[in-house]
Amino acid sequence: DAKTTQPTSMDCAEGRAANLPCNHSTISGNEYVYWYRQIHSQGPQYIIHGLKNNETNEMASLIITEDRKSSTLILPHATLRDTAVYYCIVRVANTDKLIFGTGTRLQVFP
Amino acid sequence: EAQVTQNPRYLITVTGKKLTVTCSQNMNHEYMSWYRQDPGLGLRQIYYSMNVEVTDKGDVPEGYKVSRKEKRNFPLILESPSPNQTSLYFCASRSGVLRGQPQHFGDGTRLSIL
Repeated sequence: DAKTTQPTSMDCAEGRAANLPCNHSTISGNEYVYWYRQIHSQGPQYIIHGLKNNETNEMASLIITEDRKSSTLILPHATLRDTAVYYCIVRVANTDKLIFGTGTRLQVFP
Repeated sequence: EAQVTQNPRYLITVTGKKLTVTCSQNMNHEYMSWYRQDPGLGLRQIYYSMNVEVTDKGDVPEGYKVSRKEKRNFPLILESPSPNQTSLYFCASRSGVLRGQPQHFGDGTRLSIL
């Protein structure tokens, strides 16, 4: 199964861009990359996903390298409410199985 | 409002007393899953279902049962709960119509088995 590796924690100043990296070197050609975040013990909140191309929505941007072995989630203007654990996930092909890593704890400070 | 609803949100019970955690989604999603979350271990998938009457094991299925008799409901059954099943549980669903659709999670159920 494809696995993901993320830094354990990161800090970001409020109003600045937060760039969260993820390595997924064993990803298969038809597997998507998903990003979720979890605030305290709430249900994981979907942020964005992609296959090959870079993606942008109202919450964030996702940059996927050409070889698809890594990606970066960008929160363009971090706020205090963006403090959370961010998970980079690959779904196992042809299943509904998501493999969560331990995530990156992002702390946004004033 | 599109949502995944879990009940109960909190439950304290005793070893061996059968319990069911319900999960319902109003988005007509084909795929549904159950996860448990434990400190230091992250979220791990228990079971998933790709449609009515189609279920499969995730990473940690031991001690759990599921059923998918209707598209909207995917209950998690603990026939004989034990303390090691004390955890935070999440149900999730997604559409299977389009490839790559993300899962949407419920608010969680915190179970304590004494």
